[in-house]
Amino acid sequence: EAGVVQSPRYKIIEKKQPVAFWCNPISGHNTLYWYLQNLGQGPELLIRYENEEAVDDSQLPKDRFSAERLKGVDSTLKIQPAELGDSAVYLCASSSGITDTQYFGPGTRLTVL
Amino acid sequence: QKEVEQNSGPLSVPEGAIASLNCTYSDRGSQSFFWYRQYSGKSPELIMFIYSNGDKEDGRFTAQLNKASQYVSLLIRDSQPSDSATYLCAVTPGGNNRLAFGKGNQVVVIP
Repeated sequence: EAGVVQSPRYKIIEKKQPVAFWCNPISGHNTLYWYLQNLGQGPELLIRYENEEAVDDSQLPKDRFSAERLKGVDSTLKIQPAELGDSAVYLCASSSGITDTQYFGPGTRLTVL
Repeated sequence: QKEVEQNSGPLSVPEGAIASLNCTYSDRGSQSFFWYRQYSGKSPELIMFIYSNGDKEDGRFTAQLNKASQYVSLLIRDSQPSDSATYLCAVTPGGNNRLAFGKGNQVVVIP
């Protein structure tokens, strides 16, 4: 069974530029999560989807971050414009239900110069 | 107060010894507790979960949960160099499925 797929794995951009990350969850997993992980810290939830509905986006900085999960499968997380402090690893995870184990993708390491 | 606290610094253990990691949480309504392992540059990988008070064993790993004292621990028996990683404690505050993570504890197993 294929795991959670994310792309790109690495991204370097200049501040004020836009950037987008893509996630394909494990087949059949209805719940999808985006996390942010800073160096030396644990992941922090940005947004959770149940199918195509964002059910928990309270930690998403909506002035510059946006996310979508069209058709309830793949998801895209966007930052526009990026700031220096956005440099981090962006992790996508999925689970088959809200009480089930979350499986993480390899992450996208973003560097904002 | 942070939702999940992992305060101890890097833990160095000799190969074959027991590594002991502790984690405390603030929300008494937390219902699910997890330990993830994260190798440097990799994503977190679930190694243990526990829902009820007491011990849960899986191979060389034992998770211990004490809801009255609001702590969960992880024991790694017969530590191997491959166990060298950061171990993240995570809980679901208030019983929902939002995982709150601690900052992690680094374990270094010395051959």
